[in-house]
Amino acid sequence: AQSVTQLGSHVSVSEGALVLLRCNYSSSVPPYLFWYVQYPNQGLQLLLKYTSAATLVKGINGFEAEFKKSETSFHLTKPSAHMSDAAEYFCAVRMNSGNTPLVFGKGTRLSVIA
Amino acid sequence: DAGVTQSPTHLIKTRGQHVTLRCSPISGHKSVSWYQQVLGQGPQFIFQYYEKEERGRGNFPDRFSARQFPNYSSELNVNALLLGDSALYLCASSLAPSNEKLFFGSGTQLSVL
Repeated sequence: AQSVTQLGSHVSVSEGALVLLRCNYSSSVPPYLFWYVQYPNQGLQLLLKYTSAATLVKGINGFEAEFKKSETSFHLTKPSAHMSDAAEYFCAVRMNSGNTPLVFGKGTRLSVIA
Repeated sequence: DAGVTQSPTHLIKTRGQHVTLRCSPISGHKSVSWYQQVLGQGPQFIFQYYEKEERGRGNFPDRFSARQFPNYSSELNVNALLLGDSALYLCASSLAPSNEKLFFGSGTQLSVL
């Protein structure tokens, strides 16, 4: 069975500071990994995805994530936080073969302080 | 192009009632998935449909059912509502079930009183 664990339900950073949101996965087969963002009262928007190509994945809005098999991690980073980055972030995993659904983590709420 | 559209946006029901939620996928997308997001949690998979057939089902009771129509739109039905069914219900569409890119709608916020 696949699962993801997001470390920290709430992360607070100052504007301009580094954003680091942690995600560790568990999967019996090579996974596809995703980060989604959810703004208040909205659905989920795909930030980036890892599908077994380059291990460093660049996404929208300046975010990127690195797949580290040895650490079973897929942490999300952004060099400089903006106020508009304040949102809920979800890491998700699915198998890279067959027809399997996304399995989401519990989410990390990012607050950006001026 | 329009994104994934869901209706209604908000809904209030009482325990024991029945509810129907609707979803229209992005034009050209043939696969629709439903997720339940309880406050403070990540979305949890309920169903996936493709070409009007159920392709996957999550760990939800039989009170939950869904269907997909020839135009690829979908309905999620929940019978005998419980307080615990209060959640944001999200619909997502993709070109095909195996396609890794899902596009989510803004959801239907269901409150059961």
